[in-house]
Amino acid sequence: NAGVTQTPKFRILKIGQSMTLQCAQDMNHNYMYWYRQDPGMGLKLIYYSVGAGITDKGEVPNGYNVSRSTTEDFPLRLELAAPSQTSVYFCASSLGEASQHFGDGTRLSIL
Amino acid sequence: AQSVTQLGSHVSVSEGALVLLRCNYSSSVPPYLFWYVQYPNQGLQLLLKYTTGATLVKGINGFEAEFKKSETSFHLTKPSAHMSDAAEYFCAVEAGTALIFGKGTTLSVSS
Repeated sequence: NAGVTQTPKFRILKIGQSMTLQCAQDMNHNYMYWYRQDPGMGLKLIYYSVGAGITDKGEVPNGYNVSRSTTEDFPLRLELAAPSQTSVYFCASSLGEASQHFGDGTRLSIL
Repeated sequence: AQSVTQLGSHVSVSEGALVLLRCNYSSSVPPYLFWYVQYPNQGLQLLLKYTTGATLVKGINGFEAEFKKSETSFHLTKPSAHMSDAAEYFCAVEAGTALIFGKGTTLSVSS
């Protein structure tokens, strides 16, 4: 099993550009999450989903959008990239409220 | 609201020495508590978790943690540090559907 797969691993964007960070899991987990990690700040929850068609905001949702059309995929979209969105983004999944499994992250720089 | 405080952003030990990473939590309900480890350029990996029952929890790689309700603590320990333990460690508490993470503690191990 691949677990949680995130693509791309690295990306540089210009201010104002848009992009989608992809996340896929093959464990048939119903819960999926997006976090951002900034140095010395731990992880902050951006959005989460408890199943296909259901999404909800986390602690820091501004500037991001998500969708969950299938159990496997949970893409994160940045519409108008800003320097404050430079971060490492982690996707995670879990079976209900059990332990979360994390992807290896997407390192995003916005210049 | 739940919160997590990790005492010490950086801990340095010698190889073979005791590892102690401190975590205090705030929760209005009996908490589920977690320790995750992050190696450079990787995602987070679950070390151990406390849900209910025995307060001393054993995890992978020789780590263990003790839940102390009276002290609202969940400190992580390992009797003898190994060079391969050098990484960043995160304590987390379950908050509804998602996790709230501490800011992390970087463990350095010297020979």
